[in-house]
Order: sequence, then C-alpha cells, then structure tokens
Amino acid sequence: GAVVSQHPSWVICKSGTSVKIECRSLDFQATTMFWYRQFPKQSLMLMATSNEGSKATYEQGVEKDKFLINHASLTLSTLTVTSAHPEDSSFYICSALLGVAYEQYFGPGTRLTVT
Amino acid sequence: GESVGLHLPTLSVQEGDNSIINCAYSNSASDYFIWYKQESGKGPQFIIDIRSNMDKRQGQRVTVLLNKTVKHLSLQIAATQPGDSAVYFCAESIGGSVFGNEKLTFGTGTRLTIIP
Repeated sequence: GAVVSQHPSWVICKSGTSVKIECRSLDFQATTMFWYRQFPKQSLMLMATSNEGSKATYEQGVEKDKFLINHASLTLSTLTVTSAHPEDSSFYICSALLGVAYEQYFGPGTRLTVT
Repeated sequence: GESVGLHLPTLSVQEGDNSIINCAYSNSASDYFIWYKQESGKGPQFIIDIRSNMDKRQGQRVTVLLNKTVKHLSLQIAATQPGDSAVYFCAESIGGSVFGNEKLTFGTGTRLTIIP
C-alpha cells in the first residue's frame, strides 16, 4: 500500500515551453503533497507544499509563477514548469502524506531535460 | 540553499561487513528524523525513523542512533548486501511525527557502495 506515482517518468522539452508533471497517490488520499527538486549528486530541496483545495506554499527562492502547483483532488497534484529553461533541468520528486501519518511516501521522480 | 559543486561523501564497504553512515543535522529544534535510501533514478525510500525522545531505534538490519547533544545522527546497516548500494539521506523536521505535515529538510547524502 501507500504507492505514489509520477507521470511522466522523463520528459524532454524545448526552451520556452511548459511541462506538466503529475503526482498521484494510488491507494490513499493525500490532503498534503510536497514537491522537491534534486540536481545531480545533490540532495532533495523542497520547492513547495501542496494542499488540496488551497494555494500551495512555496519555499523561499522558488518562483510561484514559474512553478505552478495545482492540488485539485485528494489523489492528484500537478507541477507545471512554465517557460522552461535549461537551468530547470532536474529530477523532480513528489511525496504524499498518508492521512495524519508522519511518513511521506515518495514518487519515483520525473527527469526533466530542457534543451 | 543548494550546495553547488559539492561531491557526495562516499563509503565503500565489503559485502557482509557492517556500515555506518553519519549525518550532522542543523536545527536544534528538530524533533523527528528519518533515514531514506535512494537508488539511481528513483525516489527516496523510507528506511527508519526516530523521535527526539529516543537515542536508539532498531529495525531489520538497521539501527539509527541519535545524539542530540552534538546534533548527530547515524545509520548502521548490518551484514551489508549488494542491494544496499545506494545514496542514503537523513532528513529532519520539527513536529513531523505529531502534526504529520511538517516539511522535511534533507541532508547532503552519502553514497554507499558494497564491494562484492
């Protein structure tokens, strides 16, 4: 149980285009999901906290107009990278909280490459 | 912030030996800690957690030790196997085990390589 999926697993896009990444909790409902970014050989950096039915909370330094987050249902959060640039190339990982449990369940990640 | 240009600390261990991975955490107010394992191209996988009211917790082949005095956390893996090769991250939070929605701060990570 407690499986989180991401789609797509990898994506290549051209500079200036937008890319949407989906995060789904497959067998549980998650009112809270988190989005992380991980550059090669580096740690996970929290980008934003996504709450179902409300606006996301962004970490300092993360542009909310560039990284659009929508958490429209209890099983789906989306991250849209708008006007992507090569420096946005990274591994994007989401996690979902199981009810009020303290454990975050992580998705498998999405590799974004912007050319 | 991000640590650009740093290399992950690495640890190489002979198969069957025990390994110890260390982590120094930053916030003295953190009261909940988790160890994650991340294999290449995958998301983090929960290994074991510990609350600040404990100094040791054991799981299957793994033990986490917490020293709040020096803000140090360690993960011990017994009888390492090739499948243990991965990057290991510690993560800390404040109130994470109580409120359930507190954000995690991840450490730098250590790459563990098991030598057959």
